[in-house]
Amino acid sequence: AQSVSQHNHHVILSEAASLELGCNYSYGGTVNLFWYVQYPGQHLQLLLKYFSGDPLVKGIKGFEAEFIKSKFSFNLRKPSVQWSDTAEYFCAVAFSGAGSYQLTFGKGTKLSVIP
Amino acid sequence: EAGVAQSPRYKIIEKRQSVAFWCNPISGHATLYWYQQILGQGPKLLIQFQNNGVVDDSQLPKDRFSAERLKGVDSTLKIQPAKLEDSAVYLCASSATRDSKGLNTEAFFGQGTRLTVV
Repeated sequence: AQSVSQHNHHVILSEAASLELGCNYSYGGTVNLFWYVQYPGQHLQLLLKYFSGDPLVKGIKGFEAEFIKSKFSFNLRKPSVQWSDTAEYFCAVAFSGAGSYQLTFGKGTKLSVIP
Repeated sequence: EAGVAQSPRYKIIEKRQSVAFWCNPISGHATLYWYQQILGQGPKLLIQFQNNGVVDDSQLPKDRFSAERLKGVDSTLKIQPAKLEDSAVYLCASSATRDSKGLNTEAFFGQGTRLTVV
């Protein structure tokens, strides 16, 4: 079965530090890739997505992610985090098959940013 | 644009009782998903509809869970009877069909229903 792995369960950073959250998936076929964010008490929101084309994608709030097909990875980055980035981040992969896509999530990484 | 609407927001029931959740997707979105998110984990797909047909329900515990989307718009998810381990947030999401190559998989999520089974 296809799976999505997020390497870090909880990351604690000081403001202005750089962020990189890892995401790997296990599937050799066509995929669409997403990062979602869940701020405390709020619903899941899309940060960025990759369907095709330039493997470096830019999202909202200064986030970006790079798709490396050979490594089955889609890591999320931000050069300088802010306290307001405190949230839980989920990597999600849509795997193709039988004419439809199955959206599978990783377990999430909780980010705490210390002022 | 209105988002995905879910109700109720919170529900507390005793084990062995039944419960139903309702979802109204974004207008025009053909695909509707129900996810279960247990505390500390990522959302897990329970069932996926394309219009009023089921695309995938392989992870739905069919002995107690059921879902329907009769007119291809609103959907309900039911649990009967509930168990303690069903305590979770139940998320509804929807996405639009965009092109002939496949589905647009950008999913928009509702606020979820937090279920507590005691």
